[in-house]
Amino acid sequence: QKEVEQDPGPLSVPEGAIVSLNCTYSNSAFQYFMWYRQYSRKGPELLMYTYSSGNKEDGRFTAQVDKSSKYISLFIRDSQPSDSATYLCAFGGGSNYKLTFGKGTLLTVNP
Amino acid sequence: GAVVSQHPSWVICKSGTSVKIECRSLDFQATTMFWYRQFPKQSLMLMATSNEGSKATYEQGVEKDKFLINHASLTLSTLTVTSAHPEDSSFYICSARDLQGQANYGYTFGSGTRLTVV
Repeated sequence: QKEVEQDPGPLSVPEGAIVSLNCTYSNSAFQYFMWYRQYSRKGPELLMYTYSSGNKEDGRFTAQVDKSSKYISLFIRDSQPSDSATYLCAFGGGSNYKLTFGKGTLLTVNP
Repeated sequence: GAVVSQHPSWVICKSGTSVKIECRSLDFQATTMFWYRQFPKQSLMLMATSNEGSKATYEQGVEKDKFLINHASLTLSTLTVTSAHPEDSSFYICSARDLQGQANYGYTFGSGTRLTVV
């Protein structure tokens, strides 16, 4: 079983749609959970950070963590063409501060 | 906010030559730097972790003699790809962490360097 699984997509939605992105993980040592957005040929940009089960909302973005099921999600409401990017889940924990990334989901929001 | 400057943003080099990539933390002290490689449509793969003033710790399968990492100061880390070959062509990204892990929860990424070896 891979440490992190993320559906690579691609995912294409119309403007205004609700987008759901998901990752599963197997490493129980992961303590914090992050979502990054990466535009083509750019570095990742932090969207959401959380360390507990439940929901965290920031504007149009909601991060959801279910530690018991080892499952995290990112919801994007009222999606915009500018949201078109690759979305990466990332997991961390432990004293070495390493992050483990999912493969990323390529999202296209069509006007 | 915390900013990490990475240069160059792209570079083309001939096979057999060496290429140096710089990563600078502009407004915080980076006690730890991470170097990643990303192939097209693939995730970020950690290559090595470096702590200021110490030797880098390389991930399994990464050749330390080929990918030389120097982290001599709290604001600068460099990655040198030595004797580059076409299979080294990739997108290289650095990430810097401050001591308290405050900036971006401890992970501020550079904008990446696209290396093409011809």
